[in-house]
Amino acid sequence: KQEVTQIPAALSVPEGENLVLNCSFTDSAIYNLQWFRQDPGKGLTSLLLIQSSQREQTSGRLNASLDKSSGRSTLYIAASQPGDSATYLCALRGGGSQGNLIFGKGTKLSVKP
Amino acid sequence: DAGVIQSPRHEVTEMGQEVTLRCKPISGHDYLFWYRQTMMRGLELLIYFNNNVPIDDSGMPEDRFSAKMPNASFSTLKIQPSEPRDSAVYFCASRLLGEAGNTIYFGEGSWLTVV
Repeated sequence: KQEVTQIPAALSVPEGENLVLNCSFTDSAIYNLQWFRQDPGKGLTSLLLIQSSQREQTSGRLNASLDKSSGRSTLYIAASQPGDSATYLCALRGGGSQGNLIFGKGTKLSVKP
Repeated sequence: DAGVIQSPRHEVTEMGQEVTLRCKPISGHDYLFWYRQTMMRGLELLIYFNNNVPIDDSGMPEDRFSAKMPNASFSTLKIQPSEPRDSAVYFCASRLLGEAGNTIYFGEGSWLTVV
């Protein structure tokens, strides 16, 4: 059974710092991996999606990497800003394009001005 | 598009009452998902539909929970009778197979409190 772990559960950094959020998974047979952002009282917003054949995806200050062999993904945030404060969740889809997403419990990020 | 629309956004109800949560997926999407989020268990898939047909309901906790999708633009999740342990945020999500790498889009959730 696929298990997704995100450590740490919470992280606090000063504004301007570069940071890395971690996601690990137990079964490398994944279809794709997706990083989401969740603001308090809101739904989830998709940030980046990496197909199993890809190694990384970039969007603005965000870069997500995928290493299936080691069962790890990272989300790199450059030059963090207070507006980046949110909970970040990673989710894996297995079983092909119609498989379901399995979520980690997220890392709550706080960027202090 | 307005995105995935859920109602009500917040609901407080007494134990034993029936609760109905509603969802309007993004127009044209062929998959609809119901998730539940709690502090303890995180996000869990309850059930999902493909072209209005339930495909996997193995995540539905017990018979008190039921979900329907009578047409492509509407789905309901019903809890009857509700219990305090059902208190959670219930998310509806939708996607179109093959679009944007199969990206899934979430609604803003229905915050349920059962007292």
